[in-house]
Amino acid sequence: QQQVKQSPQSLIVQKGGISIINCAYENTAFDYFPWYQQFPGKGPALLIAIRPDVSEKKEGRFTISFNKSAKQFSLHIMDSQPGDSATYFCAASLGGATNKLIFGTGTLLAVQP
Amino acid sequence: EADIYQTPRYLVIGTGKKITLECSQTMGHDKMYWYQQDPGMELHLIHYSYGVNSTEKGDLSSESTVSRIRTEHFPLTLESARPSHTSQYLCASSPGLAGGQETQYFGPGTRLLVL
Repeated sequence: QQQVKQSPQSLIVQKGGISIINCAYENTAFDYFPWYQQFPGKGPALLIAIRPDVSEKKEGRFTISFNKSAKQFSLHIMDSQPGDSATYFCAASLGGATNKLIFGTGTLLAVQP
Repeated sequence: EADIYQTPRYLVIGTGKKITLECSQTMGHDKMYWYQQDPGMELHLIHYSYGVNSTEKGDLSSESTVSRIRTEHFPLTLESARPSHTSQYLCASSPGLAGGQETQYFGPGTRLLVL
């Protein structure tokens, strides 16, 4: 119940295309869903986050779509660029005192020029 | 960019040695975390802290220990390193709900190789 399932494991997209990464969860008590971007040799950095009372959130070329009934959320990267090539992790949090994050398994995105 | 620092960035050490991985943050965050991440794999929480003098074990069992004597400092220690400890160790901090947000800010990581 604490797992967050992420797919695909890897993704190749042409420059200018749309990258879509999907995550699913079981625990309906999760109340915060961030996406992190990680470049090789670096720590993860927060990209965008959403709460379950919102169905969509957009920041620049990055959009989270959230389907509460299906317990799924996805990251869409519009107009994908080679500089977007990185590993993307979805996560979910129960919030509260610990604010622990449960991470998905990651998606390695390669954007070809 | 978050002000969270980890040293060393890379460490190669022999089996049986004691090591301490340093993590410090200058944001005054109460919550701090240690994650273990194998290359290209997911992050697993191994330790966390609510604040000074509070430490808890995470979801992944680890032979390491941590301490939190100062708000800004959260070192991780391995008393006797083994090859199975080879991994990347990531430190993070968060202001938590009291700080108005739940974002965790990550350091650059320490890549540990135990021979």
